[in-house]
Amino acid sequence: DADVTQTPRNRITKTGKRIMLECSQTKGHDRMYWYRQDPGLGLRLIYYSFDVKDINKGEISDGYSVSRQAQAKFSLSLESAIPNQTALYFCATTSGTGELFFGEGSRLTVL
Amino acid sequence: GQNIDQPTEMTATEGAIVQINCTYQTSGFNGLFWYQQHAGEAPTFLSYNVLDGLEEKGRFSSFLSRSKGYSYLLLKELQMKDSASYLCAVRDHSNQGGKLIFGQGTELSVKP
Repeated sequence: DADVTQTPRNRITKTGKRIMLECSQTKGHDRMYWYRQDPGLGLRLIYYSFDVKDINKGEISDGYSVSRQAQAKFSLSLESAIPNQTALYFCATTSGTGELFFGEGSRLTVL
Repeated sequence: GQNIDQPTEMTATEGAIVQINCTYQTSGFNGLFWYQQHAGEAPTFLSYNVLDGLEEKGRFSSFLSRSKGYSYLLLKELQMKDSASYLCAVRDHSNQGGKLIFGQGTELSVKP
């Protein structure tokens, strides 16, 4: 089983719909991250969290929200999806050394 | 803020050596990372530099010069499976050193 699991792996939705991407990890790490990846733009940080009570905005947090339900779970929500949020989303964790462990990615298409 | 630059794409021949450069600007440097990402897959960790100099790990080496804001990843004895995107990422001191910001990635194509 993967150490970092993302669901769903693929999702097609319509403009205006609410979408939640979920991430769970079994590595026991405190730090969790959400990135989005677009061709030619690399990985951009959306939100990150150091523990259940800590949430921090990244480079591109507008239009997104997150919830850290437990040490092992970190969810990303799009309250009202728009087409330019079509991207590949990655969840990642680290113990603090800096080495990130990534989930397999969630491909989201907003029509 | 941070700014990270690396070439968009490179091509090299199987068996050869290739060097992928990364330049960065950050307000409080706290480490540089290289990741490899094959198409359709998640990035995987390759190397970490926080002090100046060369770190060698098998066919891969990574170099850092903090005064120049410069790093490179050196891949030796290239294999076809090395065709992938290589991501440079910088960590800074802000917010307990928790932010890891990535460059746009260098797409490496290895040809026979």
